[in-house]
Amino acid sequence: NAGVTQTPKFQVLKTGQSMTLQCAQDMNHEYMSWYRQDPGMGLRLIHYSVGAGITDQGEVPNGYNVSRSTTEDFPLRLLSAAPSQTSVYFCASSRTRWVTDTQYFGPGTRLTVL
Amino acid sequence: KQEVTQIPAALSVPEGENLVLNCSFTDSAIYNLQWFRQDPGKGLTSLLLIQSSQREQTSGRLNASLDKSSGRSTLYIAASQPGDSATYLCAVRPFILTGGGNKLTFGTGTQLKVEL
Repeated sequence: NAGVTQTPKFQVLKTGQSMTLQCAQDMNHEYMSWYRQDPGMGLRLIHYSVGAGITDQGEVPNGYNVSRSTTEDFPLRLLSAAPSQTSVYFCASSRTRWVTDTQYFGPGTRLTVL
Repeated sequence: KQEVTQIPAALSVPEGENLVLNCSFTDSAIYNLQWFRQDPGKGLTSLLLIQSSQREQTSGRLNASLDKSSGRSTLYIAASQPGDSATYLCAVRPFILTGGGNKLTFGTGTQLKVEL
């Protein structure tokens, strides 16, 4: 298994540009989520999905859209990038939505918005 | 709102020393607490997971304890090695009875450097 994969690894955007961060898992996991990591603030939950076709907002959802058309993929879209979205983004998945399950994290995408 | 704090933010120790990393949380209604390791440019690797009903968990040179009533957890690393150098994060899961999602609230991390 490849586990949780994320692309790209690095990205530089200009303010106002749009892009999609890709996340995929090959473990048939039901639950997937996106976090952002900023210095001094730890990881914060952006959006999550408890299954294909179902998404919900986390702690810091503004400026981000998600969709879950398949079990494997959970892309994160920035419609109009802002410098405040400069961060490292991590995707995670777990077998089920229940808090008993360990989460597996991808390697992250480092995004810089100029 | 749950808040998770880790002290110290950074720690430098000589090789072979035993050390303790601290994690505190404000809401004791947690289901479990998990310790992660993060290497530069890499994702998070799970180290230990302690259920709320447990007092401690051990894996090799690592021992994690949990005192839910006081809102504290510690990660003890015995006989530290340069390869232990990384950022250590703790995270808690809320005690949710419905399927609202496997959400984690993270601390800010402790950056550990073990020197030769």
